[in-house]
Amino acid sequence: GENVEQHPSTLSVQEGDSAVIKCTYSDSASNYFPWYKQELGKRPQLIIDIRSNVGEKKDQRIAVTLNKTAKHFSLHITETQPEDSAVYFCGQGAQKLVFGQGTRLTINP
Amino acid sequence: EPEVTQTPSHQVTQMGQEVILRCVPISNHLYFYWYRQILGQKVEFLVSFYNNEISEKSEIFDDQFSVERPDGSNFTLKIRSTKLEDSAMYFCASSGRRAAFSGNTIYFGEGSWLTVV
Repeated sequence: GENVEQHPSTLSVQEGDSAVIKCTYSDSASNYFPWYKQELGKRPQLIIDIRSNVGEKKDQRIAVTLNKTAKHFSLHITETQPEDSAVYFCGQGAQKLVFGQGTRLTINP
Repeated sequence: EPEVTQTPSHQVTQMGQEVILRCVPISNHLYFYWYRQILGQKVEFLVSFYNNEISEKSEIFDDQFSVERPDGSNFTLKIRSTKLEDSAMYFCASSGRRAAFSGNTIYFGEGSWLTVV
């Protein structure tokens, strides 16, 4: 079935450094991998996504990489800023879209 | 920018009571979803809905839950007899002409916070 494991559960980095969050999935039929950012008390919002026919996608300071053979994908945030502090969820979809457990990212000034 | 809207934003209900959470998906979207987030935990899939029927549901979505699209704009989640463990934030979401798992962006509403006492 569809299951996605996300690590780490918490991550603290210095402002300006990079942050990397990783997810692994089990369903080889999955073909869509979004990342959502959720600020405290707010709705999850899509920040970047990748489809299975692409290995990497970048949008300014945010990038996602996908390794279909190993069944894992990662979110990379460079030059982190205080406003990047939030909970980040990875998702994967085959018959439905399910999310990982979330990573609480804290950017220290 | 179009948004998914949900009402109420917060509801407190007695255990055993019925609750209806309401959602207005983005107007040209065809796929609708309910997700649940218990405080401090992950966003959990409950159900997806397309063409006036359930297309997928999780093990959480048992007989106590039902969904309905009573008219052309609203999408509702009903919990027939609430339990303490139903206390959570419930997010409605929608996506366009393709299902979210096929790569169409899923847009979440602001959520309805349900507290069962």
